[in-house]
Amino acid sequence: DLQMTQSPSTVSASVGDRVTITCRASQNIGSWLAWYQQKPGKAPDLLISKASSLESGVPSRFSGSGSGTEFTLTISSLQPDDFATYYCQQYNSHAFTFGQGTNLEIK
Amino acid sequence: EVQLVQSGTEVKKPGTTVKISCRVSGHTFIDYYIHWVRQAPGKGLEWVGLVDPEDHETIYAEKFQGRVTIIADRSADTAYMEVRSLTSEDTAVYYCASPGTPHVTRYFHHWGQGSLVTVSS
Repeated sequence: DLQMTQSPSTVSASVGDRVTITCRASQNIGSWLAWYQQKPGKAPDLLISKASSLESGVPSRFSGSGSGTEFTLTISSLQPDDFATYYCQQYNSHAFTFGQGTNLEIK
Repeated sequence: EVQLVQSGTEVKKPGTTVKISCRVSGHTFIDYYIHWVRQAPGKGLEWVGLVDPEDHETIYAEKFQGRVTIIADRSADTAYMEVRSLTSEDTAVYYCASPGTPHVTRYFHHWGQGSLVTVSS
């Protein structure tokens, strides 16, 4: 089975910091990777699709990169609204897998 | 505006069955796959399966094969997920979700509000 490994599992940062979250796939998934933000008690929100395409309405401080097996989500300057949990998700041959999540907390 | 509205909280005993609904509005129901994703308390997201409302094709994650059924009722623009032989490990919030592009299913643009299922004796 295709596995997605996110790191770190928790990151502590301050408003204005630059933060990078990594997601590694156990096999080549091309660019079929998405990033979601989830806040407590809410459904996830899609931030980025196809590894680097920013969804409509998502602030430009979010960016995604990578292909193959290694991907990153970068938040260039953290805002108070960004403290949440982030998940990567891959699509490969009608199988969908999420990373285990990264909790972004206030330092 | 696309909306996915799910049925409410369920409390079930071990060994029983739960059926959750997801009513879709704002786009043409048969053009968009419906997925189900669950999240156990304090845990991450887990994909359960999908249905193509156009031809009723279903695909399930391997761990749910044989215990979960997902259907699409085109007359009601509603998808359903049934989970049988419930155990405490099925306690979770269950979300329905759909992509933003018709006839393509790679990402989940739209989500329901979630349905909490608690399995307890």
